Amino acid sequence: GENVEQHPSTLSVQEGDSAVIKCTYSDSASNYFPWYKQELGKGPQLIIDIRSNVGEKKDQRIAVTLNKTAKHFSLHITETQPEDSAVYFCAASIAGNQFYFGTGTSLTVIP
Amino acid sequence: SAVISQKPSRDICQRGTSLTIQCQVDSQVTMMFWYRQQPGQSLTLIATANQGSEATYESGFVIDKFPISRPNLTFSTLTVSNMSPEDSSIYLCSVSRDREQFFGPGTRLTVL
Repeated sequence: GENVEQHPSTLSVQEGDSAVIKCTYSDSASNYFPWYKQELGKGPQLIIDIRSNVGEKKDQRIAVTLNKTAKHFSLHITETQPEDSAVYFCAASIAGNQFYFGTGTSLTVIP
Repeated sequence: SAVISQKPSRDICQRGTSLTIQCQVDSQVTMMFWYRQQPGQSLTLIATANQGSEATYESGFVIDKFPISRPNLTFSTLTVSNMSPEDSSIYLCSVSRDREQFFGPGTRLTVL
């Protein structure tokens, strides 16, 4: 089955700096890659996603890139703010039938 | 998107007892999922619940321990049976719509 690895497990950045989280996947059939943000005491919230026919997608301060050849995708957060502090999960899916999650990255933005 | 609610939001239970968690979705969905998230860990799929059929369990999870009901297209329940402290986790309901997956707020379970 699919195996998703996520790095780093923890990340601290100064407010205003950028944060990058990277994931790799093993199954070349995976074609949908969402990112989730989970704040303390809440369920994961979908923040951005990318499909395999696209190399990059951006939504304000958040962007995701996908390299199908290398089987890796990354989340980029620019101009980080304290409210970006949370745990971020990547996932890989084949047509939304089953989702495989990374191990999570705890992001801390230091004011 | 999808609006998902779960009840209870948290509970503290004694070992050997059972707890049923409810999940309600704001509109009809075909596929509903139940996940477990142990403290500081990632999400582990327990089972997939489709309306009108038996739930499909992942390796390591059995129906006797985690019975699931799916009586209609907007509702599901997960029961955690004969609980032990190792069952202390967050239990999350999620739904799939247009290939995207959305999560409920979770039920935080503590077993003493």
